Amino acid sequence: KQEVTQIPAALSVPEGENLVLNCSFTDSAIYNLQWFRQDPGKGLTSLLLIQSSQREQTSGRLNASLDKSSGRSTLYIAASQPGDSATYLCAHGSGNTGKLIFGQGTTLQVKP
Amino acid sequence: NAGVMQNPRHLVRRRGQEARLRCSPMKGHSHVYWYRQLPEEGLKFMVYLQKENIIDESGMPKERFSAEFPKEGPSILRIQQVVRGDSAAYFCASSPPKGLSTGELFFGEGSRLTVL
Repeated sequence: KQEVTQIPAALSVPEGENLVLNCSFTDSAIYNLQWFRQDPGKGLTSLLLIQSSQREQTSGRLNASLDKSSGRSTLYIAASQPGDSATYLCAHGSGNTGKLIFGQGTTLQVKP
Repeated sequence: NAGVMQNPRHLVRRRGQEARLRCSPMKGHSHVYWYRQLPEEGLKFMVYLQKENIIDESGMPKERFSAEFPKEGPSILRIQQVVRGDSAAYFCASSPPKGLSTGELFFGEGSRLTVL
């Protein structure tokens, strides 16, 4: 059974801290890995997409890495801000079908 | 360029009624996916459709649930004889045709179904 695990489930940090969110997966043949942000009562916003042939992607203060051999991905957020408070979800595709396997998410609170 | 549009955003039904959720994909996208997010659970894949075709429905409950994506108009997820356990957020996502797709999905804001 393919599983995605995100640790920690919740995280509270003061503004300005750099932080790392972890995602591990059991499927060694992933097609891609995608990080999303979800605000309460809202939909999912795609943050970063890493293809299986890539090692990392960067967008602004966000950097995501992928290590297929160990089944891990990390999302690094630099200089966190209160506006970063949200739930962060990672998901991987097993083929180019759009069928994603999601983790439970990490709920982040950045305190001013 | 409008994103994925879902309606209604909120829907309340009594047990035994029918729920219809609609999804219009992003312009130029021909693939639609439905996911369900139960309270305190992660998102789970339900069904993958192209125009007039169901490609993968491995995540759909065997009874009461159906989905379509007609040649014209939005995709529709239909839940018959709703029960309290159907209360959830239902998300639609879309992607471009395969030849243009990186596998990235674009999600709508979701439809939140409450069954009384």
